[in-house]
Parts: sequence; structure tokens; C-alpha cells
Amino acid sequence: EDKVVQSPLSLVVHEGDTVTLNCSYEVTNFRSLLWYKQEKKAPTFLFMLTSSGIEKKSGRLSSILDKKELFSILNITATQTGDSAIYLCAANPYNNNDMRFGAGTRLTVKP
Amino acid sequence: GAVVSQHPSWVICKSGTSVKIECRSLDFQATTMFWYRQFPKQSLMLMATSNEGSKATYEQGVEKDKFLINHASLTLSTLTVTSAHPEDSSFYICSAQGSIGLYEQYFGPGTRLTVT
Repeated sequence: EDKVVQSPLSLVVHEGDTVTLNCSYEVTNFRSLLWYKQEKKAPTFLFMLTSSGIEKKSGRLSSILDKKELFSILNITATQTGDSAIYLCAANPYNNNDMRFGAGTRLTVKP
Repeated sequence: GAVVSQHPSWVICKSGTSVKIECRSLDFQATTMFWYRQFPKQSLMLMATSNEGSKATYEQGVEKDKFLINHASLTLSTLTVTSAHPEDSSFYICSAQGSIGLYEQYFGPGTRLTVT
């Protein structure tokens, strides 16, 4: 059975801290892994990762995929209160197009 | 970038009535659309996958007669919650997928349904 597991489920940090969010997956015919940020409404896309070892970066956020160990991490440096959100990862298989979501990590950044 | 809209953004209805939610891809053709449901403080749960012009594929445990999905065109899919009950109250999100590239899904803003 396909599954995506995120850890930690909840994280509270202070502004300026660096956080690492984890996502492990077991998906048949894996194609890509995606990270989303969800605040009050629907998720917004952050990264799509298809190749191992290639870091994707956007500002203070970066992510990398390890297809051998079947996990991905999302790093946020110099966190700000605006980074407070639920971060979702999802694995996308080849044979069908629907994604399997992890439970999410709820990040709270305190001033 | 690709934009997906949902309408309405929130709706309150009485038990026993039906509610239709629209999902539109505004600037691209979506060969596949997905409907998700999200309970408070929980992750997204895929309800069904719909391909334009064909019947939707429902996930296990999702009642197809309760949640009617129609994907009538390459830019529009609708979800109708029939004979709604309070337990159907939830946040419903659609996503649309184009036919080229790496098949990334673009999410709509979601619809908050409250059944009283």
C-alpha cells in the first residue's frame, strides 16, 4: 500500500531558527515528490522533485530528494512568522496521476 | 502560472439539500481534475479523479451516488454533494492537471461547506 509519512507532525520555533521537515514515502512506480504550503486555504505549490541529490531552492526554502532512501527534506532558514503554515508533501506515481499526501507538518514560528 | 478557480468559496446549506461546487481551470486545459476533502487539522484526502468526457474514478469508501462528479469540458468539473448531512461539512478542494510537462497539479482555493 502506498504511503507518505511526514515528521514531525508539529513544530514550534522562534524567528530566525532553521527548520528541517521530513517526508518519507513508499509509492509504487514513483515519479515525483511535491511540497506544498497550506495556510488558510488550499495548498500552494513549493517544489517538485524528480531527481535524487539535486537541491531545489527558492529564497529561504530548499528541498532535496533521496530516491535510494525514499525520503525528502524541506529546509527553511531564518524562519519568519509568515512561514507558519502546514507543509504537505505528496508523492506522485507514474501509473496513475493522483498524489498521495502525507499528514503534514504544522509549523509555528513565534516572534 | 496556471490558475484554478472554485465557486462558491463557501456555502451553508440545510440538511437534505444538494450543493454544487464548480472547479475551473482558467488558462489551461485540464485533462484530469481531482477532488479532495480536508477535515480540520488533517491532510488532504483524495475523493475522486475525473477525466474529461468519462466517468469519475472514486476512491475506496467514497460514495459515488453521494458525491456526483461531472467533468463536462477541459476547463470545468463539478462536484455535487447530494442530500447533504452535517457530517458532509468540510473543506473541498479541487486540483487540475494539464496534459503536458510533469503533470503538476494546480489547486483551486477550496470551498468551505457547512451543512446545518
